[in-house]
Amino acid sequence: DTEVTQTPKHLVMGMTNKKSLKCEQHMGHRAMYWYKQKAKKPPELMFVYSYEKLSINESVPSRFSPECPNSSLLNLHLHALQPEDSALYLCASSQDSLNFGYGYTFGSGTRLTVV
Amino acid sequence: GQQVMQIPQYQHVQEGEDFTTYCNSSTTLSNIQWYKQRPGGHPVFLIQLVKSGEVKKQKRLTFQFGEAKKNSSLHITATQTTDVGTYFCAGSTGTASKLTFGTGTRLQVTL
Repeated sequence: DTEVTQTPKHLVMGMTNKKSLKCEQHMGHRAMYWYKQKAKKPPELMFVYSYEKLSINESVPSRFSPECPNSSLLNLHLHALQPEDSALYLCASSQDSLNFGYGYTFGSGTRLTVV
Repeated sequence: GQQVMQIPQYQHVQEGEDFTTYCNSSTTLSNIQWYKQRPGGHPVFLIQLVKSGEVKKQKRLTFQFGEAKKNSSLHITATQTTDVGTYFCAGSTGTASKLTFGTGTRLQVTL
């Protein structure tokens, strides 16, 4: 299995809702990432998990809460989002955070719309 | 913080023409990676360069890493419509965990 699977593919949520994005990989990768991508912009790093521990938080607002239940799963919990948080949320994985290896494998993303 | 700029932002070529995108970092990089993102898709890893002055080829694609490890380029020979997409360079100054993406170059190819 050489894929990163993200669910849901699309999500529309109100500003008072709580939702979660899910990401799964079975490549044995030990580093997992959340990126945010706005239209016509590059992906921006949000969080890095290395060996199931949060190693980087790029000053992301607390309304975004990551969780790594095990080495194959990564969640992003969303609460009280703003319309400007609407974007494509990409999950990625790599062999580990010290060895660049074969690059990042990205999931197909969750397209989030906050209304 | 680290900034990675790419030029041009957009290029439209006729099929069969060559294409080059340039990537420049404000800081010295430990490595550079290249990704392609098709319209409506997600970034797909193309290649990684680590050594100063390194050149790698993948069929019609040629990747270079500058001697000072602050710039890189991607050259496509004889473009095809399947080359359409946005090409991102992405660099890191240390460990693999913090990869900063360049601003991207969107390539459009018409017959």
